[in-house]
Amino acid sequence: DTAVSQTPKYLVTQMGNDKSIKCEQNLGHDTMYWYKQDSKKFLKIMFSYNNKELIINETVPNRFSPKSPDKAHLNLHINSLELGDSAVYFCASSQLGGARETQYFGPGTRLLVL
Amino acid sequence: GNSVTQMEGPVTLSEEAFLTINCTYTATGYPSLFWYVQYPGEGLQLLLKATKADDKGSNKGFEATYRKETTSFHLEKGSVQVSDSAVYFCALITQGGSEKLVFGKGTKLTVNP
Repeated sequence: DTAVSQTPKYLVTQMGNDKSIKCEQNLGHDTMYWYKQDSKKFLKIMFSYNNKELIINETVPNRFSPKSPDKAHLNLHINSLELGDSAVYFCASSQLGGARETQYFGPGTRLLVL
Repeated sequence: GNSVTQMEGPVTLSEEAFLTINCTYTATGYPSLFWYVQYPGEGLQLLLKATKADDKGSNKGFEATYRKETTSFHLEKGSVQVSDSAVYFCALITQGGSEKLVFGKGTKLTVNP
């Protein structure tokens, strides 16, 4: 069974479109994260949710809106996509609401905006 | 602020060579330190971690020791294999506040047969 899964794996879309990426974890964790990895492999946290409550919101454009319907899911919706949004987006989860615990990462969603 | 600096890549080695990837950090308080590995086309996996000074993390032949006096957490392996080819990320989490992983820029390792 996949611990942290993301869909879709690849996403190619036009500038200006709205798209969503879904993430699900079956580890029973109560904290989930979204990271962005740019073309140079640099990883940076975007958001973190604990028990469906937003606890970290980095300086991300408000075109990005995370939604957590329950603690096993954290989806990322992106409005008005721009070329600079092209990246790999990783979802992760951890236990006990503390980021000092090991984070488990999904396989990534490769977004290409044309 | 909190930051992680790791050696620039790419690093290319022959099989069975010795590997060192340097990592130093700047942090308030006493962070926990991690090495994550990303194999081609995959997500990140935890390789090893250390939560306090002088702790040594180890896994799959890789080791790293938390050195508070030099604020370092260098990754080492005595004999690399082709299957170790990947991107390696050093990271830290600080105590208190909104805890989050802060990553270094990653070091790409290629091991040739």
